[in-house]
Amino acid sequence: EVQLVESGGGLVQPGRSLRLSCAASGFNFDNYAMHWVRQAPGKGLKWVSGISWNTGTIAYADSVRGRFTISRDNAKDSLYLQINSLRAEDTALYYCAKDWYSAIRSPDYWGQGTPVTVSS
Amino acid sequence: QSALTQPPSASGSPGQSVTISCTGTSSDVGGYNFVSWYQQHPGKAPKLMIYEVSKRPSGVPDRFSGSKSGNTASLTISGLQAEDEADYYCSSYAGSNNFVFGVGTEVTVL
Repeated sequence: EVQLVESGGGLVQPGRSLRLSCAASGFNFDNYAMHWVRQAPGKGLKWVSGISWNTGTIAYADSVRGRFTISRDNAKDSLYLQINSLRAEDTALYYCAKDWYSAIRSPDYWGQGTPVTVSS
Repeated sequence: QSALTQPPSASGSPGQSVTISCTGTSSDVGGYNFVSWYQQHPGKAPKLMIYEVSKRPSGVPDRFSGSKSGNTASLTISGLQAEDEADYYCSSYAGSNNFVFGVGTEVTVL
C-alpha cells in the first residue's frame, strides 16, 4: 500500500523558513517523480513543485520559484521542500504526491498534508 | 501557468449523469494527453479518478469516464450516487516540466 506522510508544518512568522518532509513507503520511491501541491483554506489545489526520479529535472510554479527548493533522498525514501522568506499567502495545507511516471507528468497517490500557517 | 477553467458547480439527481468541463490551451490540455481528474471530499486528500484523459485507476468505478476534444477535457459521472458529492479538479501537464490544476468544480447530488 502506497503511503505518504508529510511533516514539518506549523505556525511560522513572516520572513522565516521552514522545511517540509515526506516519508514514502509501499512503492519503489526511486522509480517515480514526486510533487508538492498546496491548498489554501477554502481554496483549490495549486501545484508548487515537482522533481523527477533521479533529481535530473526540477520544476517550480512561477509563484514560488526562487523561494522554494524541492529535493529528495532516494536512500531514505524521502521528499523535502525548503521554504524561505515565508509570506502570508504561503498559508496552506501542503500535500506530497507521487507521480505515476518517472518524469513530471501527473500525481496519483497523495499524502494527508501538513499545514503551514504564516502569521505574526 | 494559468489555472484551467472549470464551472464552479454542477449537480444532478441520483442515477442521472453529470459532465464537468475543463478548458485550457494548446500549451496544456490541447497539447498533451496527460489530463487527470481528482475527487476531493471535505477534509480529505485528493483521489485520482482519471489519468491520461480517459484511463481509470484500479478501484475507480466505471461510472467515471473522461474524454478530450481540442483544448477541453471532460469528466462524466454516470449513475450519480450520493457518495459522488465532492469537489473535482482537473489537471494537465503543461510542457517544460510544468503542471497545472483546474479551479475545481463542486458536484452536488440533489
